[in-house]
Amino acid sequence: GAVVSQHPSWVICKSGTSVKIECRSLDFQATTMFWYRQFPKQSLMLMATSNEGSKATYEQGVEKDKFLINHASLTLSTLTVTSAHPEDSSFYICSARLAGVVTGELFFGEGSRLTVL
Amino acid sequence: AQSVTQLDSQVPVFEEAPVELRCNYSSSVSVYLFWYVQYPNQGLQLLLKYLSGSTLVKGINGFEAEFNKSQTSFHLRKPSVHISDTAEYFCAVRPQTQGGSEKLVFGKGTKLTVNP
Repeated sequence: GAVVSQHPSWVICKSGTSVKIECRSLDFQATTMFWYRQFPKQSLMLMATSNEGSKATYEQGVEKDKFLINHASLTLSTLTVTSAHPEDSSFYICSARLAGVVTGELFFGEGSRLTVL
Repeated sequence: AQSVTQLDSQVPVFEEAPVELRCNYSSSVSVYLFWYVQYPNQGLQLLLKYLSGSTLVKGINGFEAEFNKSQTSFHLRKPSVHISDTAEYFCAVRPQTQGGSEKLVFGKGTKLTVNP
């Protein structure tokens, strides 16, 4: 099946620094990737939709200047948390949809746990 | 807009017992329906999906779900659970409308704990 890989799986950083998380589709092309945030014991909250070669579409309430998303190729999207603060600590998960497939199945990465000290 | 309600936040069950995890949804348009499983500190893995056709859908690991349009439900079932089924289970929907949102809307999840 289609594989989506995230890196890093775990990251600890100091408050005020920026952290980049990568999401790669390993064996397929993904024109669209999605970034989710998951708080402890809660569901996934969609942050933004990342489209290859164009600007990301952010959900209401998500600061686009804080969560920078770049989808430079059909197999890579990155999420950069800028000037991270402790409240940004969370589990971030990306997902990707096979290009040209409209049946809605998304393939998810393993997630990246960010801890901001 | 769509919404998904998972009625039980936690479901404890003994090994080899049957289990049903409930999911109801609300939508003004037809939807695709999904069940995902999440093991600790991992991403989501698709268990099964309903796109069209037979309302009884079989998935991986012995799970199945039945789509009931009149009751707007998509309950997940397994006749005999294993310890390894302990995980968080998420029900999700996505509108079928062509050109519409690709966003999956998730329920809050049900924590299934299988005890020996």
